[in-house]
Order: sequence, then structure tokens, then C-alpha cells
Amino acid sequence: DGGITQSPKYLFRKEGQNVTLSCEQNLNHDAMYWYRQDPGQGLRLIYYSQIVNDFQKGDIAEGYSVSREKKESFPLTVTSAQKNPTAFYLCASSMTSADYNSPLHFGNGTRLTVT
Amino acid sequence: GENVEQHPSTLSVQEGDSAVIKCTYSDSASNYFPWYKQELGKGPQLIIDIRSNVGEKKDQRIAVTLNKTAKHFSLHITETQPEDSAVYFCAASKEDSGYSTLTFGKGTMLLVSP
Repeated sequence: DGGITQSPKYLFRKEGQNVTLSCEQNLNHDAMYWYRQDPGQGLRLIYYSQIVNDFQKGDIAEGYSVSREKKESFPLTVTSAQKNPTAFYLCASSMTSADYNSPLHFGNGTRLTVT
Repeated sequence: GENVEQHPSTLSVQEGDSAVIKCTYSDSASNYFPWYKQELGKGPQLIIDIRSNVGEKKDQRIAVTLNKTAKHFSLHITETQPEDSAVYFCAASKEDSGYSTLTFGKGTMLLVSP
């Protein structure tokens, strides 16, 4: 089955440690995204990538970093500079085409807790 | 940038009733309006979308309407069922330098009681 795999589902870290969240897709989509979800806040865009080796900051990129070395993979690192890292993180992908508004396909998320 | 407001934040209905969720957007250049359903512990899934050249779109019990003049769009669910209980998100986007990203509303928790 084609889809997006995020791992792990739950992640616990101590304050001050960097942590990397995994996202893999087998949909052959060009574009990938990371969103953060907090209760009552909707989804906020952290980073997105249209093609391999290229990515752009979203609305809340501070304290996060990404890489896009392969089309299938878009890992997100939550650094110690992120002041409030505890949240639910969602990865998504979409095709890019002449019709730019192609639907997003989401993974099932990683819940990160930092204490 | 774009701002999307969504109301209500929670909505409780009886099974069989209709449910309506409303969203407004700020950027008149936005041209794509999807709706996503998120079940507990899962990622959002697209349920219906509409583009700015269309005023209404239906898919079985779900419909979306768009009023470009007023800059608002709505999700209508008829004959609600308990499995419709979830959080629903509206979103808006526009083409910007050849690419667009979605701005989401804050979500509506729909509870359908048997």
C-alpha cells in the first residue's frame, strides 16, 4: 500500500537534547511538508520541500531543521533551540504539477514529549 | 499572509441531523479550499475540496459551498452518523511564485450522538 510512514509514534526526550523524527513516503510525490499540531491551534507549517536537496521555511521554522537527500525521505530535527517542542508532528506529501493545488496526504504523526 | 477563521470550535448533533462548519479567509487571491477529517491519533485525511471557479461541490452526504465575494466557505454533512465524529479542518491556499502552501483553520470537533 502506498502511503506515508512516520516513526516512532511516541517519542520522549530530555530538555536540551536534539531529536530527529522520521518521515518516509512511497507515493512518488515530489513535495513533502512538516506541520506541528497543538491543541486548539490547527496545523502550522514548519518546513516544506518541493524537490530533492531544496527546502523552504514555513511559518514556525525557528528551532527546527530538515534535510531532503532522497525523494522518499524528509526527516525533521527538533533542536534544543526550540523553546516549546512538546507537540504532535505531522508529515505530509503531495504531487506537484501544473495544477499546484494538489491534495496533501498525511502520515499518522509522531507525538513528541520533552521533559 | 492568509488567515483562516473556522467556527464553531465544537459541534454536537444527534445522529441523522445535519452539521455545518463555516470558514472565512482573508486573501482574495486564494483559489483552493480543501476540507480534512482527523480521527483520534491519526493524520488528517482529505474529504472534499473546491476550487474558486466552482460555487458548490457534493460527494454523497458531504457538500462544500464557496462564496468568493464574501470570502467564506462551508462544509455541510447531512444524515450524520457516529463515525462522522472527528475533528474537521478547513484550509485555503493560492498560487505564489509557482507554488502554494495551505493555511489551516483551527479545527472543529464534531460529536455525533447515537
